[in-house]
Amino acid sequence: EVQLVESGGGLIQPGGSLRLSCAASGLSVSSNYMSWVRQAPGKGLEWVSVIDNGGNTNYADSVKGRFTISRDNSKNTLYLQLNSLRADDTAVYHCARGLRGYAPRGDYYYYFMDVWGKGTAVTVSS
Amino acid sequence: DIQLTQSPSFLSASVGDRVTITCRASQGVSSSLAWYQQKPGKAPKLLIYAAFTLHSGVPSRFSGSGSGTEFTLTISSLQPEDFATYYCQLLNNYSWTFGQGTKVEIK
Repeated sequence: EVQLVESGGGLIQPGGSLRLSCAASGLSVSSNYMSWVRQAPGKGLEWVSVIDNGGNTNYADSVKGRFTISRDNSKNTLYLQLNSLRADDTAVYHCARGLRGYAPRGDYYYYFMDVWGKGTAVTVSS
Repeated sequence: DIQLTQSPSFLSASVGDRVTITCRASQGVSSSLAWYQQKPGKAPKLLIYAAFTLHSGVPSRFSGSGSGTEFTLTISSLQPEDFATYYCQLLNNYSWTFGQGTKVEIK
C-alpha cells in the first residue's frame, strides 16, 4: 500500500525551529517529486515547497529563506526544516507525492499530487 | 506570481444538481491544472489533472475543462458524498499555487 505518514509537529514558540518528517512506504521519495502543503485553521490549502527527483527545490515566497526541504533516500523519508517560526506558520502540514506527465499535443509538462499524508499539526504560540 | 481565483467561494446546492466551479488565472497558463476535493479533517483527494484528465477511481460525474486563463470543474449530478471543499491548483516549473477554495454545502 502506498502511504505517507507525517510526524514532528507540536507546539513551538515564535522564533523557534522544528523538523517535520514524512515517512513513505510503497513509493520512493528519491524517484518522485515530493511536496509539502499546509493548511492554517479554517483556511485553504497553501503550497509550501517541492523537491524533484534531481534534488532541485522550490519554495513559496512566504517560507523562502526560513524553511528547507530535504530527503533521506536510505530512510525513504522527506523532511521539512522550519526555522524562524511565526504565528502565521500555524497549520497542519501535509506531505504529498507529485507526478509529472507530458502532453505532446500542447508540448507542455503537467504535474499533480496523487498521494497525500494525513498531516501533522504545528502550533506557533508563546 | 500567477494568482488563481475560484468562483464562487461558496455554493449551496441540492442532491442531483449540476454544479460548476470556475478557476481563473491572472495570466495565461499551460493546462497543468489540477482539482482536489477536501472534507473536514481529511487530506485532499485528487480529482482531475492536466485540466481534464479524470484521476483513477474518481466517479465520471466529475469533469474538467478549460485552457488559458479559465478552467472549470463540473459535477454533473451532485451526490451526498460530494459536499466538500474543492480547490484548483496550478503546477508549473516555479510554483504550485492553489486557488482559495469553493465550499459546496447542502441546500
